[in-house]
Amino acid sequence: AIQLTQSPSSLSASVGDRVTITCRASQGISSALAWFQQKPGRPPKLLIYDASTLHNGVPSRFTGSGFGTDFTLTVSSLQPEDFATYYCQQFLSYPLTFGGGTKVEI
Amino acid sequence: QLQLQESGPGLVKASETLSLICSVSGDSMRKTGHYWGWVRQPPGKGLDWIGDIHYTGTAFYNTSLQSRVTMSVDTSKNQFSLNVTSVTAADTAVYFCARHLARSSGWLVDSWGQGMLVTVSS
Repeated sequence: AIQLTQSPSSLSASVGDRVTITCRASQGISSALAWFQQKPGRPPKLLIYDASTLHNGVPSRFTGSGFGTDFTLTVSSLQPEDFATYYCQQFLSYPLTFGGGTKVEI
Repeated sequence: QLQLQESGPGLVKASETLSLICSVSGDSMRKTGHYWGWVRQPPGKGLDWIGDIHYTGTAFYNTSLQSRVTMSVDTSKNQFSLNVTSVTAADTAVYFCARHLARSSGWLVDSWGQGMLVTVSS
């Protein structure tokens, strides 16, 4: 199975900060990577797919980049509603796998 | 708009079978590129993909659970189901059903149910 390693596992930030989360795959996955946001008690919400395509309705302050094994999710100016846990996921091959998550705290 | 809703017992005894149903509304289950799957999340932990199934019955299971997992589809009821046999405390988790879209790049999970906590008791 393809393993995804996210870093950091948690971070503290303030409203207005620029935040970057990285995701590294154990083997090349082309651009078959998605990013999800999850808040407590809620299902994950798709933010970005194909490494850099913004899902419908997702604010443009979220951007994704990368190809192959190294990927990043950037929030250009953190808003109060962005404090959550973020997961990367590869969807190139079965079994689909997720990164361990990055908790973004105030 | 697609809606997914999990249902089933919230408490299962150890060594018994966990059975959940996901009801689908707002989309046809019989589209070629749609797969219907399950993801679970133990309390306070990350996401773990269980598997998915096509309306034709073709299923893919995570090898970590493969021997204990079965999925099925009932398109007449717009439902699909998950069975996990011989459960232990390690199977305690929130179980999400989710739509997977088959694309040229892979199988994208784009929509999720609200999730259902299933607790395994001893």
